[in-house]
Amino acid sequence: KAGVTQTPRYLIKTRGQQVTLSCSPISGHRSVSWYQQTPGQGLQFLFEYFSETQRNKGNFPGRFSGRQFSNSRSEMNVSTLELGDSALYLCASSALVGSSYNEQFFGPGTRLTVL
Amino acid sequence: DAKTTQPNSMESNEEEPVHLPCNHSTISGTDYIHWYRQLPSQGPEYVIHGLTSNVNNRMASLAIAEDRKSSTLILHRATLRDAAVYYCILQNAGNNRKLIWGLGTSLAVNP
Repeated sequence: KAGVTQTPRYLIKTRGQQVTLSCSPISGHRSVSWYQQTPGQGLQFLFEYFSETQRNKGNFPGRFSGRQFSNSRSEMNVSTLELGDSALYLCASSALVGSSYNEQFFGPGTRLTVL
Repeated sequence: DAKTTQPNSMESNEEEPVHLPCNHSTISGTDYIHWYRQLPSQGPEYVIHGLTSNVNNRMASLAIAEDRKSSTLILHRATLRDAAVYYCILQNAGNNRKLIWGLGTSLAVNP
């Protein structure tokens, strides 16, 4: 089975621009979560999508948004980029069956640098 | 949200056991305890999880204190490939199910 894929792997943008990151989950996985990882803050939860609906949301400003498509692929968008948005953005998918715990499978991440 | 506390870094020798501690004194009765690790330049990967009882799998063992306020990840024989950042995470059960990540422990393994 192919793992979680994220595109692009690296991205350089300037302040004020917007960016869209893409995540393809493992086949059959319907839950996709997004995280921001920075050296000082560690992994911080952005949001989780399941069946095209946002189930959970972290404490990030409205500039951060996401969506999920019917094939479970997900995108996240950051508008009006700030220097502090420079980070590794990680996507994770899980099967999410019923209420039992489901292991999260992470992609390699997209490294975003804002200049 | 319940939080976890881990040492910033630890060091071990190859082929020796490693005990990675985690404190989670504000854990609630239905929070699961998870461990993930992140190797250099990779996304995190699942190691093990538990609720109340100790757990074993091919990668590691998880020892959970009776009061659940702390847990320990045990790597039985560390290898150089085990050098990574290890995260102890709580999962809110129920509809929320959010994983709450700490800063992790950076484990160095000496040959």
